[in-house]
Amino acid sequence: DAKTTQPNSMESNEEEPVHLPCNHSTISGTDYIHWYRQLPSQGPEYVIHGLTSNVNNRMASLAIAEDRKSSTLILHRATLRDAAVYYCILRDVGGGSNYKLTFGKGTLLTVNP
Amino acid sequence: ETGVTQTPRHLVMGMTNKKSLKCEQHLGHNAMYWYKQSAKKPLELMFVYNFKEQTENNSVPSRFSPECPNSSHLFLHLHTLQPEDSALYLCASSQDFLKNEQFFGPGTRLTVL
Repeated sequence: DAKTTQPNSMESNEEEPVHLPCNHSTISGTDYIHWYRQLPSQGPEYVIHGLTSNVNNRMASLAIAEDRKSSTLILHRATLRDAAVYYCILRDVGGGSNYKLTFGKGTLLTVNP
Repeated sequence: ETGVTQTPRHLVMGMTNKKSLKCEQHLGHNAMYWYKQSAKKPLELMFVYNFKEQTENNSVPSRFSPECPNSSHLFLHLHTLQPEDSALYLCASSQDFLKNEQFFGPGTRLTVL
């Protein structure tokens, strides 16, 4: 299974941008990069996903390296509500064996007021 | 509110009890999942159902028995559990089990005495 590496924890200040890195050097050509987050006492929630091009949605942006071996989730203005564990997950949505969401330990993001 | 509800939110049971966890999704999705989140461990996929048919059993002990009577409801029947089964049990759903993002419920916090 393709694996990802994330820092255990990061800290940010409210209203500042946050860049959450993820390394996935063994990514295959059909693996999509997914990000989920889990707020305290809640189930995970989908944030964003992408394949090769950078992606934007209302929650965040995803910047993908040209060689696809790393990616960065960008929160443009962190709020206290963004404090959560962020998971970077590779998922083969083409029907390959890596179709499941396999969660790692993620990055615990702390946002300071 | 994700459109996925779970009941009960908290459950305490003895090792000889039989109990059931219930999950309901109001999103019209075709795939449903059970995950287990133990303290200090990543989320683990337990079961996958697609159009009411079980497509994945991730080597889960038989004391956990899933049931999917229709695409909107998913149950996890519990019997003769062990204290190490204490965990947060999360239900999720998605439009398609291969491709789409998953929507998670808030989970049931289970304590086995």
